[in-house]
Amino acid sequence: EVQLVQSGPEVKKPGESLKITCKTSGYSFTSYWIGWVRQMPGKGPEWMGIIYPRDSETRYSPSFEGHVTISADKSTNTAYLHWSSLEASDTAVYYCGKVYGGTYYLFDFWGQGTLVTVSS
Amino acid sequence: DIVMIQSPDSLAVSLGERATINCESSQSVLYSSNNKNHLAWYQQKPGQPPKLLISWASTRESGVPDRFSGSGSGTDFTLTISSLQAEDVALYYCQQYFVSPGTFGQGTKVEIK
Repeated sequence: EVQLVQSGPEVKKPGESLKITCKTSGYSFTSYWIGWVRQMPGKGPEWMGIIYPRDSETRYSPSFEGHVTISADKSTNTAYLHWSSLEASDTAVYYCGKVYGGTYYLFDFWGQGTLVTVSS
Repeated sequence: DIVMIQSPDSLAVSLGERATINCESSQSVLYSSNNKNHLAWYQQKPGQPPKLLISWASTRESGVPDRFSGSGSGTDFTLTISSLQAEDVALYYCQQYFVSPGTFGQGTKVEIK
């Protein structure tokens, strides 16, 4: 059974750094892209970017490139989403997702979500 | 970016009746090389992640009830719930996965009348 389990909710101040995690099981981690989606309160999902864990190739949405970093650890089958300097507008639920084979932008399995709250 | 527009924003349907949601993309998501539409439908219930219902515009994912069906091609697509059940109350999103970034519609809320 494919499972993606994300780290717990976070409350941070503007300017702080943060890394959230997505631990996977039940499939070959290095054979599929894995990525992240943002969902702001009351809004639709937004595709942020993906990584191919076998060689760490990444692809980002222009809206997020330079503001977040996606990484992966093959030894623990875990993907990461990192901010070096959070902004209040980063407040949202973040989901990790396994990419549907043969595509780049479609997720077939999702984590449960991590609520990130950024407030002074 | 490809813009995805769903209609209506919300709809209320009686139990057992048909619910229809439309999705229009600002450019075609039909890939001519394989004649496949790169269009998906998701269901999202409160406090849960989106669940993939349909890919390639009309292919139901494993375990999805057959009352859910997708149709359309090019820029115009439809999700139909043939006989609404109480457990179908949710938000529904379309998404194009033809080009980066994979953009979503704004969502359609389905409720019981």
